[in-house]
Amino acid sequence: GAVVSQHPSRVICKSGTSVKIECRSLDFQATTMFWYRQFPKQSLMLMATSNEGSKATYEQGVEKDKFLINHASLTLSTLTVTSAHPEDSSFYICSAINRDRGGYEQYFGPGTRLTVT
Amino acid sequence: DAKTTQPPSMDCAEGRAANLPCNHSTISGNEYVYWYRQIHSQGPQYIIHGLKNNETNEMASLIITEDRKSSTLILPHATLRDTAVYYCIVRSWGATNKLIFGTGTLLAVQP
Repeated sequence: GAVVSQHPSRVICKSGTSVKIECRSLDFQATTMFWYRQFPKQSLMLMATSNEGSKATYEQGVEKDKFLINHASLTLSTLTVTSAHPEDSSFYICSAINRDRGGYEQYFGPGTRLTVT
Repeated sequence: DAKTTQPPSMDCAEGRAANLPCNHSTISGNEYVYWYRQIHSQGPQYIIHGLKNNETNEMASLIITEDRKSSTLILPHATLRDTAVYYCIVRSWGATNKLIFGTGTLLAVQP
């Protein structure tokens, strides 16, 4: 089956530093990946759509200069949280569409728990 | 994309069928119904999707009403591992491919 991995699974960083989260499709090529954020006891909130070889499209209210997204290859997208603050602490989840299956299913990664101290 | 309405929570006895309803009264003709679930602190897991016909796979069955304004996800024999938040999402085929999550239903399977 299609597998999406994320690294790291957990990260703790100090306020003001930057953190990079990787999202990889392990056994398929993903022209499109998505980044979500989830606060405790809330639903997933879509942050941005990442397309290979082009600029990401951000949802309304998401700061593109704070959440840098790079989709450099068909199997890797990265999310960098710049100048992180405690309010950025959240569960970050990526997903990918398997283009060979025509986009029927989105496969989600296991998530990255970010804690900013 | 059309919005969905789900009950916030449901209980189900282990071994019994779990029937999770979803209302999507504003669904348009080219929108599919998708179901995902999220076990605590994990990424969402795809369950099933359909357009207008009922669908079944190894995980669940999806029953869509004839007018397509509502659907029911059926887990035929719920186990404790099925305790999760279940999300019903409607999405246009191929338009943006974005999945917009609502609040979902927390299904608690009781021993």
